[in-house]
Parts: sequence; structure tokens; C-alpha cells
Amino acid sequence: AQKVTQAQTEISVVEKEDVTLDCVYETRDTTYYLFWYKQPPSGELVSLIRRNSFDEQNEISGRYSWNFQKSTSSFNFTITASQVVDSAVYFCALSEANYGGATNKLIFGTGTLLAVQP
Amino acid sequence: EAGVAQSPRYKIIEKRQSVAFWCNPISGHATLYWYQQILGQGPKLLIQFQNNGVVDDSQLPKDRFSAERLKGVDSTLKIQPAKLEDSAVYLCASSWRGANTEAFFGQGTRLTVV
Repeated sequence: AQKVTQAQTEISVVEKEDVTLDCVYETRDTTYYLFWYKQPPSGELVSLIRRNSFDEQNEISGRYSWNFQKSTSSFNFTITASQVVDSAVYFCALSEANYGGATNKLIFGTGTLLAVQP
Repeated sequence: EAGVAQSPRYKIIEKRQSVAFWCNPISGHATLYWYQQILGQGPKLLIQFQNNGVVDDSQLPKDRFSAERLKGVDSTLKIQPAKLEDSAVYLCASSWRGANTEAFFGQGTRLTVV
């Protein structure tokens, strides 16, 4: 069965600190997708990254970076020089690859609430 | 490009009452999803449509929940009768037809059952 674990329930940092959000996943599929979503207080889930299981290169986008380690089934997310606007709930999610028209459903972790203090 | 629209944003009902939520996906998106997000948890898929056909409703409590997507565009999710444990945010998402396409989410409807 597929499962996503985000062990950190809440993290509080002071602005400009770096922060890493952990994500560990379980799947029997050899091909799958991993995601990170941001959910601000407005409620809308915003996709930050979508990563194919065959692409293990780390990725950097501005202040955001992602470390994908297949050997440990982890997909961690780091925010460098955090800002107050980064305050939100962050979800890691897993989706099995779909080549036959079946469901694309996302399996979400329980989320990590990040509070960035000024 | 307009995003996924949902209404209402908030709804408070008494247990055993019925309620309906509406979703208008992004134009051209063939796939539509309804997720339930209970406070403190990640979203859980209730039902997925491809055009107006159901692809996955394995986690939909069919004794009280129903959903339809007439004409393959807008969708309605209904709960009848509501229970206290149905209090949650109901998120609608849509994506292009095809394998492994990215889903875009609406702002959700926050339901409180008292």
C-alpha cells in the first residue's frame, strides 16, 4: 500500500533561518510521482514541485530546494532564508504512475505547519 | 486562465441535514477530483471523474455521499444525511486528460456539522 509520512507536525523558525521539511514515502510501484504542496490560510493547495521517480537529481528553484533519495524513500524540502510569507501547511504527496487510464489519485501526508516569525 | 471555482466557501449545517457543494473545473480539464480534508490530516480522494464517468470512488461513503458530473464539466458533491464526522474541507481539483497530469486545486468548501 502507498503511504506518506511527515513526522514533523509543526515547525517554528525565525525569518531568514533555513528550514527542512521531511517526507518519507512507501510504495511498491517502480514508477511514481512525488509532490510538495503549499496550503496557505486561504485553503488552496498550490503545487511546488512534481518529480518523477526516475529523476533523482536534486532541484533548486529560488529559495526552495528538494533532496530526493530513492535509497531511503525520502523527498525532503528545504526553504533557504525563510520569510513570513512562507508560513503555511506543507504537504508531501505520492501518486502512482498511470499509463492505463486508471486513477491519478494523490496520497497525502498529514502535513507540516510552518510558522515563520518576523 | 481562471482556476478551479468552488462554492460555497463555508457551510454550517445540523447533523442529519443535507448539503451540496459545487465545483467548476478549469476549462478543458477532463479529469475532476473531490478530496476530503479533515482538520489536521492530509486530503483524501473521495471520487475521480474522467469527463462524466467515474474512475475511482472506492473511498466515497456511498450510503450518504453522492457526486455527479453532468455533461463532463461542473460537478456537485452531496451529503445526505450529514454526520458530525463529515466536518471537513472539501476540495475540488481538475487536470488535463492523460496520464500523470498535474492537478490544480480550488480553495475548498469548509463544512461544519453541528
